[in-house]
Amino acid sequence: GAGVSQSPRYKVTKRGQDVALRCDPISGHVSLYWYRQALGQGPEFLTYFNYEAQQDKSGLPNDRFSAERPEGSISTLTIQRTEQRDSAMYRCASSLNTGGRDYTFGSGTRLTVV
Amino acid sequence: AQKVTQAQTEISVVEKEDVTLDCVYETRDTTYYLFWYKQPPSGELVFLIRRNSFDEQNEISGRYSWNFQKSTSSFNFTITASQVVDSAVYFCALSGLNTDKLIFGTGTRLQVFP
Repeated sequence: GAGVSQSPRYKVTKRGQDVALRCDPISGHVSLYWYRQALGQGPEFLTYFNYEAQQDKSGLPNDRFSAERPEGSISTLTIQRTEQRDSAMYRCASSLNTGGRDYTFGSGTRLTVV
Repeated sequence: AQKVTQAQTEISVVEKEDVTLDCVYETRDTTYYLFWYKQPPSGELVFLIRRNSFDEQNEISGRYSWNFQKSTSSFNFTITASQVVDSAVYFCALSGLNTDKLIFGTGTRLQVFP
């Protein structure tokens, strides 16, 4: 696609429910990144993939968070048993090459846990 | 450890004033990359510039200029003759050699009044 597409744009969920956030990177982009941005803060790294391999998941806050990119294209970030503190903007970015650092960010998914 | 500090939380100026946004970084890497992003009220993250640690030349792009000083670990951003459309949150970010992840500062909110 022309840009990085994230869905849904907005998600409201009840505490304890699982949510899945989707990222569709720019076609042909090798690397895909997930970030989380709380209100009034800068984006915080969660995890990233080169192709289908998860390279670094050191930013995932706990084991309720997981991500996958099974075919090296679309990625899903899953949060199990959501808590109110999970409320944030979740941003995806992609990059053409590994190490290229030419990140293009999507518009994000605003998650609200009530 | 890598860290980015943007000490200015919020800056207000009147249109046509010049304004400088400060960014100080910490890293043990000898090769690294520095970035500035703009986040307008609409919420997207807009890439402004990327510099690598070997290129200390200052850069000018229209009304925007960047001053990279390794001696003080700073990468400051100046907007000349500010305009109302420059109102946004600006983030400075750092990426080390051996990881693709971006470490963001907390951002500086710039308000330009007519």
